[in-house]
Amino acid sequence: GQNIDQPTEMTATEGAIVQINCTYQTSGFNGLFWYQQHAGEAPTFLSYNVLDGLEEKGRFSSFLSRSKGYSYLLLKELQMKDSASYLCAPMDSNYQLIWGAGTKLIIKP
Amino acid sequence: IAGITQAPTSQILAAGRRMTLRCTQDMRHNAMYWYRQDLGLGLRLIHYSNTAGTTGKGEVPDGYSVSRANTDDFPLTLASAVPSQTSVYFCASSTGTGDHNEQFFGPGTRLTVL
Repeated sequence: GQNIDQPTEMTATEGAIVQINCTYQTSGFNGLFWYQQHAGEAPTFLSYNVLDGLEEKGRFSSFLSRSKGYSYLLLKELQMKDSASYLCAPMDSNYQLIWGAGTKLIIKP
Repeated sequence: IAGITQAPTSQILAAGRRMTLRCTQDMRHNAMYWYRQDLGLGLRLIHYSNTAGTTGKGEVPDGYSVSRANTDDFPLTLASAVPSQTSVYFCASSTGTGDHNEQFFGPGTRLTVL
């Protein structure tokens, strides 16, 4: 079956760095997306990885290891506005996104 | 309009009633999707359409139907609503199938079935 595993909740301090891990099992693989979702709002795209390695985009970076079925999202210089849920979503062989339940990130001053 | 819109924003519905959730995009995207999001669960795909005139069933299609008469619109119909369909419904669109196929989401419809 298809399965996504990410922590339910994480807490970090403003200005710090946090890493949100995601492990996945899918039928086929065509890349992995990370989305951000603020409470009461729609998900918005953060990053996409299809090859192994690190993709950096400003304060956010995303890493992929296809052989391990593993990805992480790294957030640097945390700001209060980064308080949100972060959704890991690999794409299966049918190009459908398989969504994890998300990691709720709480930023404390 | 710019992007993807949904209507209504929220709705309270009596069980057994018929309801259509509307979704419109102006990005000329080929593919459109309907998801439901429930507390503690990931987004679950209800139905999708890879191009106008075609639709497909997702993970949780029972009790829902869709149509795709044109590129822009993708309505979702609950023929006879039940309380378990209480959820937040998101419509999304993307350029099409293939990798790096980012999905853009509408603002969502909060539906309560009593």
